[in-house]
Amino acid sequence: GNSVTQMEGPVTLSEEAFLTINCTYTATGYPSLFWYVQYPGEGLQLLLKATKADDKGSNKGFEATYRKETTSFHLEKGSVQVSDSAVYFCALRKLGNFNKFYFGSGTKLNVKP
Amino acid sequence: KAGVTQTPRYLIKTRGQQVTLSCSPISGHRSVSWYQQTPGQGLQFLFEYFSETQRNKGNFPGRFSGRQFSNSRSEMNVSTLELGDSALYLCASSLGLAGGDTDTQYFGPGTRLTVL
Repeated sequence: GNSVTQMEGPVTLSEEAFLTINCTYTATGYPSLFWYVQYPGEGLQLLLKATKADDKGSNKGFEATYRKETTSFHLEKGSVQVSDSAVYFCALRKLGNFNKFYFGSGTKLNVKP
Repeated sequence: KAGVTQTPRYLIKTRGQQVTLSCSPISGHRSVSWYQQTPGQGLQFLFEYFSETQRNKGNFPGRFSGRQFSNSRSEMNVSTLELGDSALYLCASSLGLAGGDTDTQYFGPGTRLTVL
């Protein structure tokens, strides 16, 4: 089957610290991989995506590389800000499956000033 | 342009009742998907509609149904509500391109349903 596993949260960091949120997936075929972010009281926003192996998605200082050999798509940021505090979701979508997404459980990030 | 809107934002119902949630997609978007978000199960895909037809379905019981109108607006209905249906219901819209790899979903803020 298809599934996404994320590291448990919450993750608490000080401002300017390095962030890694781990994400691994199980899927048949070759999925596209995504990171979404959810701020309090809001819906999800697409943060970045990668559609094939070795692709790197990046946006707003966040990066993630699609690693087929380790079935991973870890999210990283070199220097977090208080405004990055949110819940981060890793997700996959199989090719040809239109908009049927499989989401991880979400990782809450708290950044302290 | 206006984002995805969902109404109502909050809803309280009792067990056994039914409920209808509404989603208005971004103008020009033809695909609307629905998700259930709970602390225990996370985000789970309910179904996707494209051009008034359901083209994807998750693993939810038949009490959960939906439809899409010719203007792409979508409704989701839950009949015979159970306590476990308490959740945030999220709607997402996209252009609905074939293959979908370049298609980006935009989410609404959700409807918070509480079943007492």
